[in-house]
Amino acid sequence: GESVGLHLPTLSVQEGDNSIINCAYSNSASDYFIWYKQESGKGPQFIIDIRSNMDKRQGQRVTVLLNKTVKHLSLQIAATQPGDSAVYFCAENTGGFKTIFGAGTRLFVKA
Amino acid sequence: DAMVIQNPRYQVTQFGKPVTLSCSQTLNHNVMYWYQQKSSQAPKLLFHYYDKDFNNEADTPDNFQSRRPNTSFCFLDIRSPGLGDAAMYLCATSGEGTQPQHFGDGTRLSIL
Repeated sequence: GESVGLHLPTLSVQEGDNSIINCAYSNSASDYFIWYKQESGKGPQFIIDIRSNMDKRQGQRVTVLLNKTVKHLSLQIAATQPGDSAVYFCAENTGGFKTIFGAGTRLFVKA
Repeated sequence: DAMVIQNPRYQVTQFGKPVTLSCSQTLNHNVMYWYQQKSSQAPKLLFHYYDKDFNNEADTPDNFQSRRPNTSFCFLDIRSPGLGDAAMYLCATSGEGTQPQHFGDGTRLSIL
């Protein structure tokens, strides 16, 4: 059977509050960053991306912040809803075809 | 409508018995990827195709092979599955490397 995986970091928020999910990336040469949402039993779903020439990008209810100095990426979700409950992965790309996923954070939204 | 379709959703095979997982896409994307994802872990890239060009990750075991007969289809072949190969296998596509990837819902492989 499957090997036992590591426990994911978990963030628990109240419905309606804002959520902030943080990610440290590893390669200073990475220039393209993506956030994915993965619900149970499904594949990862694209949320938002940002390139290294930007430090902030906004989507619908989501904002990604990039700090290249400290190699840090964050995803902010405004007015978190129960449907936002999922595992969130940050991912980095150095300009080729290899995307490296971070460990993931499990978001629980309490009604 | 699903744009990246993986079949089957669940696959059970015996230890050492070859198995093939399939992926199809309606996006006409150049790049197709195969990832392995174990429980509570991040997806790990096994290999990708850019059009017909195959690119294997350095740490992908030789037991794993892939075929892409045309733009729409890509297969993952596991020649002699071991217990450690039990996982979710995800297929993804993108237009180019630095573009968002579109994932299928995966095939969960169990080994008896």
